[in-house]
Amino acid sequence: QITLKESGPTLMKLRQMVTLTCNFSGFSLSSSEVGVGWIRQPPGKAPEWLGVIYWNEEKRYNPSLKSRLTITKDAPKNEVALTLSVLAPVDTATYYCVYTKLPSYSFFYWGQGILVTVSP
Amino acid sequence: QSVLTQPPSVSGAPGQRVTISCTGGSSNFGAGYDVHWYQQIPGTAPKLLIYDNNKRLSGVPDRFSGSKSGSSASLAITGLQAEDEADYYCQSYDSSLSGWLFGGGTKLTVL
Repeated sequence: QITLKESGPTLMKLRQMVTLTCNFSGFSLSSSEVGVGWIRQPPGKAPEWLGVIYWNEEKRYNPSLKSRLTITKDAPKNEVALTLSVLAPVDTATYYCVYTKLPSYSFFYWGQGILVTVSP
Repeated sequence: QSVLTQPPSVSGAPGQRVTISCTGGSSNFGAGYDVHWYQQIPGTAPKLLIYDNNKRLSGVPDRFSGSKSGSSASLAITGLQAEDEADYYCQSYDSSLSGWLFGGGTKLTVL
């Protein structure tokens, strides 16, 4: 059974940097074709893809956020981290980590999400 | 273009069949990338229903089915039930974005 869970601070201030951690179980990020991604969803809006990191260290970032976003992995600890810098109120959203596996470009399993609020 | 367009809302009575459309462009569906469908009940995380155009994730009722043709895709739900009331999102990969793309979502109301 694959599970993912996000953790981290939930209230941030303008221009701060946030680091969120995804702890997962039921799969290994050392296994071929496996990836963990991050998706966010502002209140009342559609999900937005942020980035993904694959078993082979390949990383893909949303071009609109690339300059502010870093995703890293610690496969032995079953952890993936997302760091987003220079926060603004528009970054207020629920942040989800997700499991993906090539060759599909779908997100098979999602964490419960963590709401991060950025105050002005 | 790098947009997936869905109708804002659809509705149907219990037992009926409804379809939700998703229109893409030359850099996603037209480029051969697959469509995937998610269901989100308010207050919960999205859940994958259909992947790679028409494959149901294990445990998803066969009342849900997906299809894709050219630059359009659709999700069909037969035998509509009250528990199907939710937001539905289509998603694909986009070569212009060099990344993943979601539609704007469709709210399904069961009358």
